[in-house]
Amino acid sequence: EVQLLESGGDLVQPGGSLRLSCAASGFTFSDYAMTWVRQAPGKGLEWVSVIYSGDQRTFYADSVRGRFTISRDNSKNTLYLQMNSLRVEDTAVYYCAKIVRLSGIDYWGQGTLVTVSS
Amino acid sequence: DIQMTQSPSSLSASVGDRVTITCRASQGISNYLAWFQQKPGKAPKSLIYAASSLQSGVPSKFSGSGSGTDFTLTISSLQPEDFATYYCQQYNSYPWTFGQGTEVEI
Repeated sequence: EVQLLESGGDLVQPGGSLRLSCAASGFTFSDYAMTWVRQAPGKGLEWVSVIYSGDQRTFYADSVRGRFTISRDNSKNTLYLQMNSLRVEDTAVYYCAKIVRLSGIDYWGQGTLVTVSS
Repeated sequence: DIQMTQSPSSLSASVGDRVTITCRASQGISNYLAWFQQKPGKAPKSLIYAASSLQSGVPSKFSGSGSGTDFTLTISSLQPEDFATYYCQQYNSYPWTFGQGTEVEI
């Protein structure tokens, strides 16, 4: 059974940093691209970033490029999102999700809440 | 960026109704279109990929169609557990983008 378990969400001040983790199990983590999607309170879904498996290419939404860094540790079956220079508008539930090539997202984690506020 | 526009934004339906949600892309995305269901306070659930293929375990009352710029999600016989918000998403090119969501009220 595929499981994705996010952690690391917290209350942080504007300008601060936070690192989210997503522990994966139930599949061969190193074979799949992974992505982060967020959802601000009461709002819709917003794609944040993706990292591929083999070459570990990365892509980012314009809203986070230069501030957020996605990475993965295949030896630990873990996906990360390093978030720097956080803004109030980064407040959201952050979901990690597994991607199947040509099929998009198939599994989602339960999400972790990041609150940016003074 | 490719804009995804869903209609309607919300709808009210009865148990047993056939419901159709439309998603339009601002440019052609072939069939790189997914649909997700999200219930209040829960993570999204993947329903459909490649515009018309059901994810594993998704009941056949859900179906998708379309290609290019116009897509639809149909729920053939609405049940109380289908009360949720539905999102379309294009994965043809980055940045991936979602529709604004359609809230289905029973």
